[in-house]
Amino acid sequence: QQQVKQSPQSLIVQKGGISIINCAYENTAFDYFPWYQQFPGKGPALLIAIRPDVSEKKEGRFTISFNKSAKQFSLHIMDSQPGDSATYFCATRGGSSNTGKLIFGQGTTLQVKP
Amino acid sequence: DSGVTQTPKHLITATGQRVTLRCSPRSGDLSVYWYQQSLDQGLQFLIQYYNGEERAKGNILERFSAQQFPDLHSELNLSSLELGDSALYFCASSVALHGELFFGEGSRLTVL
Repeated sequence: QQQVKQSPQSLIVQKGGISIINCAYENTAFDYFPWYQQFPGKGPALLIAIRPDVSEKKEGRFTISFNKSAKQFSLHIMDSQPGDSATYFCATRGGSSNTGKLIFGQGTTLQVKP
Repeated sequence: DSGVTQTPKHLITATGQRVTLRCSPRSGDLSVYWYQQSLDQGLQFLIQYYNGEERAKGNILERFSAQQFPDLHSELNLSSLELGDSALYFCASSVALHGELFFGEGSRLTVL
C-alpha cells in the first residue's frame, strides 16, 4: 500500500503548550487529508480535515497546515489540554482508485502534562 | 457514540479456530470498511464494501473474508487463526462511496 509517514511516534507537551504532529505522503493524486483522534478503548473519530485547494484550516484550537509542493501536512494543537491526551492519526484518500478507503499514518501518542 | 455497532467487543480463542466479527453501520450508510489495528502496524485497511459489493481490498489475508448483507450489516470472518492475528478490528461506515468515515469501538481479538 502507498504509505503515509507520521512523526513523531510519541509526544509529551506541557499544558498550554503547542503540540505539532507531521505527516508526509507520496501520491500527488491524494485529495483528502483528515486527522483522527483516538482515546483508549474507543474507535478513531474525525477531528479535522483539509482538501489540497487550501493551505490551512482552523477549527478551534486545532489547525491543519498543508504544503502541497512538499507533500506534507501537519496538525497543530494550540493551548494543549490534558483532555487532548490521545493517539492522533493522519490519513489520506484519493488517487487513481475510486474508493473511499483511508490510508493511515502510524499514529502519534500525545500526552499533555498538567 | 458514532452509531456504528460492533460485536463482540472482546473475543478470546485458540490458534486454528475461526471467528466472525459483526458490524452494523450507521443508519443510512451504504459503505462499510474493515481495519486491523495492532501495536506495530497502526490502522491497516482490510476491505471495503459499498451497497453489498466489494469495492476495495487491502492487505487482507486469504484466511480472512468478509461480506455485506442486503440489510447493509457486514461480517468479517477470520479462519485458521494464528497468534499474529491478535489485534483490534475496527469497522467504519460512510454514507456514500466517498465520505467521512465513522468508526465503531472495535472488536478485540486475542488468539492464544
